[in-house]
Amino acid sequence: GAGVSQSPRYKVTKRGQDVALRCDPISGHVSLYWYRQALGQGPEFLTYFNYEAQQDKSGLPNDRFSAERPEGSISTLTIQRTEQRDSAMYRCASSLAAITDTQYFGPGTRLTVL
Amino acid sequence: AQKITQTQPGMFVQEKEAVTLDCTYDTSDQSYGLFWYKQPSSGEMIFLIYQGSYDEQNATEGRYSLNFQKARKSANLVISASQLGDSAMYFCAMSLEGGSEKLVFGKGTKLTVNP
Repeated sequence: GAGVSQSPRYKVTKRGQDVALRCDPISGHVSLYWYRQALGQGPEFLTYFNYEAQQDKSGLPNDRFSAERPEGSISTLTIQRTEQRDSAMYRCASSLAAITDTQYFGPGTRLTVL
Repeated sequence: AQKITQTQPGMFVQEKEAVTLDCTYDTSDQSYGLFWYKQPSSGEMIFLIYQGSYDEQNATEGRYSLNFQKARKSANLVISASQLGDSAMYFCAMSLEGGSEKLVFGKGTKLTVNP
């Protein structure tokens, strides 16, 4: 496809379960970003990759959150032992390369932890 | 640390009129980028316009223009000839050159265009 895709679009899980959220960036885009957006707020940075290298994970809230991009394309954000406070929209974005290149966002995954 | 402030939680405009959405930013860096995104009720994040800190001219993209005042650290979005489809949340964001490349977002402004 032409844009950033994310799956699943909606995920409902029970507290304590692990979830894996997938992002497929725009073809050829080097940089990939994960953000979390609470209702009524702007997105907040979680982590980002250049190719397969995780360059910054300062936004990951705790060690239950991890991300990988093993082949420099598709990325997975994993949340272990989910808690209700993890409920949010998780957004992925990609950009061609350089710092001021525009980040294009995917449709997001709405995560609900019961 | 950089910060984006959007002081207008909600704005109303009449169809076909122009509207300005405010954004101020705080950074000690000299090189940075400023972005505006639109989020309609469907939830997507749509890129609208970009302004680099060294750009001397204000950015324009169709009906969108960015009123960049560097000394005042403001990057207001101007939408001309508003349309009903412009009703949405609008987010201002900043990235730092040479930094982590993350975008820092404001809290957004909800724009409603009335017929």
